[in-house]
Amino acid sequence: EAQLVESGGGLVQPGGSLRLSCVGSGFSLRGYWMSWVRQRPGKGLEWVANTNIDGNLKEYLDSVTGRFTISRDVAEDSLYLQLDNLRDDDTGIYYCVTDYYNYFKDWGQGTLVTVSS
Amino acid sequence: IVLTQSPGTLSLSPGERATLSCRASDNIRSDFLAWYQQIPGQAPRLLMYGVSNRATGIPDRFSGSGSGTDFTLTIGSLEPEDVAVYYCQHYSGSPKTFGQGTKVEVK
Repeated sequence: EAQLVESGGGLVQPGGSLRLSCVGSGFSLRGYWMSWVRQRPGKGLEWVANTNIDGNLKEYLDSVTGRFTISRDVAEDSLYLQLDNLRDDDTGIYYCVTDYYNYFKDWGQGTLVTVSS
Repeated sequence: IVLTQSPGTLSLSPGERATLSCRASDNIRSDFLAWYQQIPGQAPRLLMYGVSNRATGIPDRFSGSGSGTDFTLTIGSLEPEDVAVYYCQHYSGSPKTFGQGTKVEVK
């Protein structure tokens, strides 16, 4: 079954950093805009960042601008999200998704980020 | 654009019709509205896009309608496997935002 697979989540202290990764299993990310969407505990879904096919256009949610960096490696067919200066309210499940004309067509199973001292 | 979904929870019997509402704080242009289903313990999955287009593999008991600021997701005949939280999402500008979700329970 073709799917997106995220990794890199974990427990980190406030102010710390993590790097999330996303690869396709039987699925290529090439040719798709890609986004990260998160789900914070007890809350709904929230788009965080996206990037275009080449990785040279990037857009961010205001609350993560300057702290998170989305990138992709076209050759490696991978997507990344660098999370710096993490806050308690960044805790949640982070999903890698195909950004298909701005709606989210394919979803990974998510990776859990917990920010806590 | 803020999306407000109602009701918060919908509890119906199998076979009944479920009507979920999504209201936008501003006009959503070009029908740029999608719906997602999140079954407990799973990632969300795309149900509908462009208001009324079913995603691949979505059964035809799911339908979407609406325009402007008022949108509806209808489950024509509720099945036990439809127990989930349903989210609407607009993509009429940035940031793309989601509603807070409607939880559907089957009695």
